[in-house]
Amino acid sequence: DQQVKQNSPSLSVQEGRISILNCDYTNSMFDYFLWYKKYPAEGPTFLISISSIKDKNEDGRFTVFLNKSAKHLSLHIVPSQPGDSAVYFCAASEVGNMLTFGGGTRLMVKP
Amino acid sequence: EAQVTQNPRYLITVTGKKLTVTCSQNMNHEYMSWYRQDPGLGLRQIYYSMNVEVTDKGDVPEGYKVSRKEKRNFPLILESPSPNQTSLYFCASSLLAGVTDEQFFGPGTRLTVL
Repeated sequence: DQQVKQNSPSLSVQEGRISILNCDYTNSMFDYFLWYKKYPAEGPTFLISISSIKDKNEDGRFTVFLNKSAKHLSLHIVPSQPGDSAVYFCAASEVGNMLTFGGGTRLMVKP
Repeated sequence: EAQVTQNPRYLITVTGKKLTVTCSQNMNHEYMSWYRQDPGLGLRQIYYSMNVEVTDKGDVPEGYKVSRKEKRNFPLILESPSPNQTSLYFCASSLLAGVTDEQFFGPGTRLTVL
């Protein structure tokens, strides 16, 4: 059973609008969460992370929100740009343990 | 340029024919790992290495071997590949073993086992 789930395999958004990518997890011991972005024919690249002691972390156009009680995190991209079109993976870990990745969401930002 | 390199990038092989996918990083990272990416399943860790001569199983180690004789190299070995090992493979490294350290990924190796 997958401990980290991204229930939307794809998302289409108009340029300039907000993109919201969601991720749910089941393991209450997870205490660190990351988002990676992946373009075709390339490896994933780190985007943004959040520790469980926070509920929000912001980096430019990217903001990650963590709702521990709901075991839910989301990535907001505002404003969305065509170059943001990629597959986004959320990942989670317990201290000292390996990352567990979600299945990915393909974001398409239309010009 | 700081990077993780993998070779080959694409490989088609037949069941049972031993193969090795190489991984090398030039960032003096201690931690290296291998993942496979399958549709809907995201990235699943195969093996990881905290440092030279230290390796450990990840989520899906069956059918794979690794070695870490030098800090920079972490080859993935399939002794007897089977069709269910057809996948996209990524090598990754990070400075230290803590998962809060950003992992740098290689470009991927697409393997097809017939």
